[in-house]
Amino acid sequence: KAGVTQTPRYLIKTRGQQVTLSCSPISGHRSVSWYQQTPGQGLQFLFEYFSETQRNKGNFPGRFSGRQFSNSRSEMNVSTLELGDSALYLCASRRTGNYNEQFFGPGTRLTVL
Amino acid sequence: AQTVTQSQPEMSVQEAETVTLSCTYDTSESDYYLFWYKQPPSRQMILVIRQEAYKQQNATENRFSVNFQKAAKSFSLKISDSQLGDAAMYFCAYKWGGGSNYKLTFGKGTLLTVNP
Repeated sequence: KAGVTQTPRYLIKTRGQQVTLSCSPISGHRSVSWYQQTPGQGLQFLFEYFSETQRNKGNFPGRFSGRQFSNSRSEMNVSTLELGDSALYLCASRRTGNYNEQFFGPGTRLTVL
Repeated sequence: AQTVTQSQPEMSVQEAETVTLSCTYDTSESDYYLFWYKQPPSRQMILVIRQEAYKQQNATENRFSVNFQKAAKSFSLKISDSQLGDAAMYFCAYKWGGGSNYKLTFGKGTLLTVNP
């Protein structure tokens, strides 16, 4: 079974632009979570989607948004990029009802110049 | 606020030796889960081991085991017979809350180097 995939793997943007990242979960997994990883703050939870609905949300500004499609693929969007948004963005999927094991993707490395 | 602290930003161990990574957490909850995740260089993060707070027995997965001290709010990871492939960033994580309203907090990680 294929693992979680994320595209693109690397991205360079400039301040003020917006960006969309994509995540395809493991087949059969309907839950997708997004995380931001930075050296200073570590790993922080952004939000989780299940069946096309946001079910859980971390403490990030409204510039960070997401959505999930009927095939469980998810996208994350960051508008009006700031230098501090430079990070590794990870997504993770899990089986329905199993809150204690997530499978992570390789991440998208976003650099904001 | 629920916080997770990994006090060792970096650790090193000789191949075949044992190393212990520390993790403490702050919580007022009585029911929660604790995890150790491993993130190898340029590779995907994977779950190493998990512990349910209501279980007194320490979890073990092959060469990986934990020392869970609930009263002290401590959750350390012991890696026995260290191998070169164990070199990675290790994250301690704490989960609380039920159903889809759970919250998950990670520590800032410990970078483990394994010396041949």
